[in-house]
Amino acid sequence: NAGVTQTPKFQVLKTGQSMTLQCAQDMNHEYMSWYRQDPGMGLRLIHYSVGAGITDQGEVPNGYNVSRSTTEDFPLRLLSAAPSQTSVYFCASSYLGQGRTEAFFGQGTRLTVV
Amino acid sequence: QQPVQSPQAVILREGEDAVINCSSSKALYSVHWYRQKHGEAPVFLMILLKGGEQKGHDKISASFNEKKQQSSLYLTASQLSYSGTYFCGTDLGGSNYQLIWGAGTKLIIKP
Repeated sequence: NAGVTQTPKFQVLKTGQSMTLQCAQDMNHEYMSWYRQDPGMGLRLIHYSVGAGITDQGEVPNGYNVSRSTTEDFPLRLLSAAPSQTSVYFCASSYLGQGRTEAFFGQGTRLTVV
Repeated sequence: QQPVQSPQAVILREGEDAVINCSSSKALYSVHWYRQKHGEAPVFLMILLKGGEQKGHDKISASFNEKKQQSSLYLTASQLSYSGTYFCGTDLGGSNYQLIWGAGTKLIIKP
């Protein structure tokens, strides 16, 4: 089972560039989310989706866009990269049951903006 | 608001016990616990729903006191493999689909 697949694993961007982080899951999970993790901090939610065609903002959505055209894919777009967006990004997916169920995480994308 | 985890870090000898606490200022529907090793993704440990349920996973167990809005993770007879950073995620339930995470507790186990 592939689980949650994130690409790329590493990326260096120049300030002002745009890019898309890819996330795909093969478990038919309704719920997908994007987090960023900065040194010494927990995970902060950027955007999430409860199903195809439905997305919503998390704690730190500024500078990021998402879309969910299929159940499997949930790409994260950085519109105009800034050094403050240097971080490790995780995509996660889970079933929606009574509250949130076990989340499966991708291996992360380490992004550096110079 | 971010839940508060304590302690921030703990160093143990193999075989010793540890308790990690997670405290929220808001009423919670559930609390989630994950462990993350350096350079890796977080890995699920357990979810506790409101009702004071206690769960166990090998020698790791947890409790949830919904009235105090607190959860505790208990690691018994710690093993080297328990090393890592432990995070709690708090879920307000209902139509709120956001998990809010604590800053983490770093656990170092020495032989």
